[in-house]
Parts: sequence; structure tokens; C-alpha cells
Amino acid sequence: QVQLQESGPGLVKPSETLSLTCTVSGGSISSYYWSWIRQPPGKGLEWIGYIYYSGSTNYNPSLKSRVTISVDTSKNQFSLKLSSVTAADTAVYYCARGKYYYDSSGYPSYYMDVWGKGTTVTVSS
Amino acid sequence: SYVLTQPPSVSVAPGKTARITCGGNNIGSKSVHWYQQKPGQAPVLVIYYDSDRPSGIPERFSGSNSGNTATLTISRVEAGDEADYYCQVWDSSSDPGVFGTGTKVTVL
Repeated sequence: QVQLQESGPGLVKPSETLSLTCTVSGGSISSYYWSWIRQPPGKGLEWIGYIYYSGSTNYNPSLKSRVTISVDTSKNQFSLKLSSVTAADTAVYYCARGKYYYDSSGYPSYYMDVWGKGTTVTVSS
Repeated sequence: SYVLTQPPSVSVAPGKTARITCGGNNIGSKSVHWYQQKPGQAPVLVIYYDSDRPSGIPERFSGSNSGNTATLTISRVEAGDEADYYCQVWDSSSDPGVFGTGTKVTVL
């Protein structure tokens, strides 16, 4: 079955750029949406954004000015870059496979059915 | 922005039924998805499209959605159901991927 694994530095300095990669194994990255979600210590989940395998993206408006998600289909990987980080960006970062569809009323919806184990990123000097 | 409100905690005895609510403005017009997160682990999808269960999720987990409230119901609660539960909707007009505030389920 499909498995996802996050990788990247566990410590990032304030004002620098956080960079993470998610490697997809056991299946193709094609024909699916791929998301990043984060969870600050002791807090709830926050959706960061998604990318379709073709390259189209959608970001959380509150993070949009600092976020870039990209995909490399040849490596079965997708990546997250978050610029100008502060301590508030300290969190566990998850990657996940997403499914986008239109419900019976024609209303769009999206959910995440396979998640990586998560990687902890701390922003500190 | 679209806000999803959940009770911070729900306590239930083993074998009983737990009901976790997710409140949002006219949430019944949207599809609601539910995730279970055990301590130190990644979330797991337990309900999607209001009431559908992914393969491998016990029939004890069910969902409903109407009006301003969606509900995740866990029947015949077991100790292994102790976890945080999050609802999630897609609101393309403002905040696309919105999660609820989360509910901690404690099995007594």
C-alpha cells in the first residue's frame, strides 16, 4: 500500500526557509493530490496546501505569501518550502495524499486518506 | 473564515456510545471528514463524505451531518478508541482545508 515519508532539517533558524520533502512509495504520485499539514506542539491541525501531480496548487490563505509546494514526478516526491519562519512555525509537519471530488450537490470537497508519520521542525537560533 | 467548533473533551465508559459534534454554519451543505489521532501518531481518516468508512475502519464508527452540526458516533467504545478526533471540511470560498478544534475522547 502507499506509504509517505517526510524528510528535512529538524532545526531551522528564524527568518530562514523551511524545506521538507515527502517521498511516496508503494504507488505512483500521478493522478492524486498531495498535501502538507502541520500541528504546533499541543495544538490542532492546520492545512498548509496541496499540489496536484500536474503542478497546480492551492494554499491556505493565511500562509500563501510564504508557501511554495512543488512536485517531482520522476522521483515520486513533493516538497514544501516555507519562507521567513518564526517560532510560530515550530510544529510537526505531515504530508498526506488527498482526494478531491464534487459531492452530490456539485459542491467541491477534499480529504486526506494516507498520511506520513510526520517530522518535527523547530525554529530557533 | 469558516469555523468548526468541537467540544474539547468527551468521556465515555467502555461499551457505551460516544458522540462527538462538529458545529459550523450550514455545515449540512458540506461534506465532513473525520480523523482519529492517537498520542505521538499521525492522524488516521475514519470517516469521509459525512458517513463513509475507509477500508479497515470498524463499523462501530459512523457519521452524520445535518443543519449546523455534524456528528461522529463511536458505538461499543473500546479502550483503543481513546484519541483526539478532528472534523474537516473544504470551504473553497475562504479557508479551503479547515479543521475543527479537536475533541479528546477519554475512555473511563
